[in-house]
Amino acid sequence: DIQMTQSPSSLSASVGDRVTITCRASQTIINYLNWYQQKPGEAPKLLVYAASTLQSGVPSRFSGSGSGTDFTLTVNSLQPEDFATYFCQQSFITPHTFGQGTKLEIK
Amino acid sequence: QVHLVQSGPEVREPGASVKVSCKASGYSFTNYEIVWVRQAPGQGLEWMGWISTYNGNTNYKQKFQGRVTMTTDTSTSTAYMELTSLRSDDTAIYYCAREGVDAPMATHKWLDPWGQGTLVTVSS
Repeated sequence: DIQMTQSPSSLSASVGDRVTITCRASQTIINYLNWYQQKPGEAPKLLVYAASTLQSGVPSRFSGSGSGTDFTLTVNSLQPEDFATYFCQQSFITPHTFGQGTKLEIK
Repeated sequence: QVHLVQSGPEVREPGASVKVSCKASGYSFTNYEIVWVRQAPGQGLEWMGWISTYNGNTNYKQKFQGRVTMTTDTSTSTAYMELTSLRSDDTAIYYCAREGVDAPMATHKWLDPWGQGTLVTVSS
């Protein structure tokens, strides 16, 4: 199975900050990479697919980039509702594995 | 509006089985595959497998082979996931999700939307 490693595992930031979360695949996945946001007690929500395509309705302060094995999710000008856990997922080869998650907390 | 609504929480003893349902609405059910993902308490997400709602083909994570069965009922737009020989480490929230694809090549896949989740507790 392809292993997905996110860093950092947790992150403290303030409203208005810009943050970047990294996801690394154990082998190339080209751009078959998705990002999800999960808030406590809720199901995950799709933010970005195909590494850089923003899902409809997702605020433009979110952006994804990368290819091959290294990917990033950037959130510009953090808003209070952005404090949540973020997961990457590869969709290159089944099983479509997830990263372990990055918890974004308020500083 | 696309919705996936799952069945309610379940409690089972070790060795038992559980069957979770996922009812879809707001779109043509047989046009999208359904994926099942689970999340143990306080843990990450684990992809379990998918089922083609068009022809019933399945693809299970090897870890679950022999214990999981995914099915659909197209007459009610409902997907099911049954897990047998339950153990305590199967305690988790089980999610269904619709698998979107990029048209027309259908190469990239993603999960959207997700059901609300079903908590399955395995305890004696």
